[in-house]
Parts: sequence; structure tokens; C-alpha cells
Amino acid sequence: DTGVSQDPRHKITKRGQNVTFRCDPISEHNRLYWYRQTLGQGPEFLTYFQNEAQLEKSRLLSDRFSAERPKGSFSTLEIQRTEQGDSAMYLCASSQVREGYNEQFFGPGTRLTVL
Amino acid sequence: ILNVEQSPQSLHVQEGDSTNFTCSFPSSNFYALHWYRWETAKSPEALFVMTLNGDEKKKGRISATLNTKEGYSYLYIKGSQPEDSATYLCAFQNSGGYQKVTFGTGTKLQVIP
Repeated sequence: DTGVSQDPRHKITKRGQNVTFRCDPISEHNRLYWYRQTLGQGPEFLTYFQNEAQLEKSRLLSDRFSAERPKGSFSTLEIQRTEQGDSAMYLCASSQVREGYNEQFFGPGTRLTVL
Repeated sequence: ILNVEQSPQSLHVQEGDSTNFTCSFPSSNFYALHWYRWETAKSPEALFVMTLNGDEKKKGRISATLNTKEGYSYLYIKGSQPEDSATYLCAFQNSGGYQKVTFGTGTKLQVIP
């Protein structure tokens, strides 16, 4: 399977715990995005990498959130001291801009539930 | 903050009916408009990338039109089938910067057999 993969698919945690999610993009894609999606909303941009450089972070990304893409391949998103409001679907997408068009390919998401 | 809106938020149609929904977006700094289909428990899947005012794209029973001057796109589904049930997302790509994409809230379609 050469699509975008995410792990785990589901995570249930208690408030205050730390969680880490992983995203493996399509191998030739140099861009990687993290989004958060809550009920009734579209995907909300969290952060973006071009290769290993994190080029933009949304104001939604509090200091409890950190993302890395150490070798420009897979990425991790860590949430420290989780809160119930962090419960959401976390989507990863990758792209390789061609002719200016930023068509993003999505993974299946990690659904986080904070109890 | 870019405003990308979709309506209706949700929709139920009978199998065989045709339907359409709307995406509205800023009419300035337009570069491209993307449509995605997101079925439950699957990844969002790209349907169309639309770039030119007046563009019309078609994939099977699904088609889309684009009006960049007034800032809207319509998605049409002809003869809806239960397998069309999904959330349909549009995403506005603005010019300049790093080709940032902003998603709408989606239209959730349920086709009743």
C-alpha cells in the first residue's frame, strides 16, 4: 500500500496523559500536513512541513502540541497533558505540488478520545 | 482567516434522486478549488481540482462547476446511489505563499435506499 498511513487508528486516554501519533506520507511527497477534525467541522489546519522543516503552525496548536518530521519522511504529533477538548480526529496528509496545484492525499486519521 | 462555507450541512436524498450542494469561498487570491469525498472510516479522497472560471469537471455521475468571480462551486450528483453516502469537502487553495489549502465544513450526504 503506497498511500498515507497513520498509527494508531484509535486512541483512548485519560486526561493528563501524553499521546503520540505517527504519520507515514507517500514516499515521494515532500510536504506533510496535520489537521484536526471535530464533529460538524471540516479539517482544521494544525501544522505543515516541507521536508524536515516545520514552516507553519496554526494558533490552534497550543504549547502542549508538538510535531516533528526528523528525516523528512514520517512525522509524529505529540499532545502533552491531554484535555477533554483534545478529543478529535487527527488527520495527516501529504502532497507534492505539481504545476502549482496542492492536491493533498490523506491518511485514515487517528481518532483520539480523552476521558 | 479565510471563510470557506458549504451548504447544506447535511442532506438526505432517496436513491435515484439527483442532488447538488454549494461551496463558497473568497473571490480574491484564488488559485484552485479542490473537492474531496470522505466516506466513514476511510481517508478523504480527491474528486476534482478546479482552476479556471467556468470550469466544469465530471467523474461518472458526479460533476462540479466553478465560478471564481463570485466565489462559488457546485457539486452535482446525478441519480444518487447508497454508495454516494459520504461527507463532501471543498478546499480553497489561495495564490501565493505555500499554496495553503483551507477546508470547508463539509456537506454530509446520506442516500436512502
